[in-house]
Amino acid sequence: GAGVSQSPRYKVAKRGQDVALRCDPISGHVSLFWYQQALGQGPEFLTYFQNEAQLDKSGLPSDRFFAERPEGSVSTLKIQRTQQEDSAVYLCASSSGTVNEQFFGPGTRLTVL
Amino acid sequence: AQRVTQPEKLLSVFKGAPVELKCNYSYSGSPELFWYVQYSRQRLQLLLRHISRESIKGFTADLNKGETSFHLKKPFAQEEDSAMYYCALSGGGADGLTFGKGTHLIIQP
Repeated sequence: GAGVSQSPRYKVAKRGQDVALRCDPISGHVSLFWYQQALGQGPEFLTYFQNEAQLDKSGLPSDRFFAERPEGSVSTLKIQRTQQEDSAVYLCASSSGTVNEQFFGPGTRLTVL
Repeated sequence: AQRVTQPEKLLSVFKGAPVELKCNYSYSGSPELFWYVQYSRQRLQLLLRHISRESIKGFTADLNKGETSFHLKKPFAQEEDSAMYYCALSGGGADGLTFGKGTHLIIQP
């Protein structure tokens, strides 16, 4: 069907609040990636799932960041006790796994006040 | 550590002029290189990758392992080419991408 979708598109949080960002990958795509894009920068890798298994979380900046994909489809990126430096666009991408082409969602712009 | 460098933050050329967006990388093995593009108010999308050796929208990019470069070129720029361009690297397989900081290309009429 449609491409990768993300919700919400915009999120404003007060410092210290927890947030949850959702990603719906392209149907059938086994690989799912999260990236963080700060203003004026390129996307930076956070974590990667193959189906429900989180195979790489080396890019998560702190233990306040947590991602899950329990049924191998939808994924949620959770940020606990948000801080101002967490303000960024969070991008989700998926790929079929057979071809190394990642399809990106529109992103969620998180602003922490 | 792998790294992608795009030295130009902004590149402005006139319509019909040639365009070259520079990309250099650092990687110990044999990387896979990509160019992604983001048009205004649109999502990031793949433009081309080195293993395909294809031309998309008139753009080409050649991987030069000796110079560790993957510059993006187009002989005659068009106004619709105005966008943010990101060079990216993968170690292969289903791997997270390492992106450069991007180059904002502006094509003036």
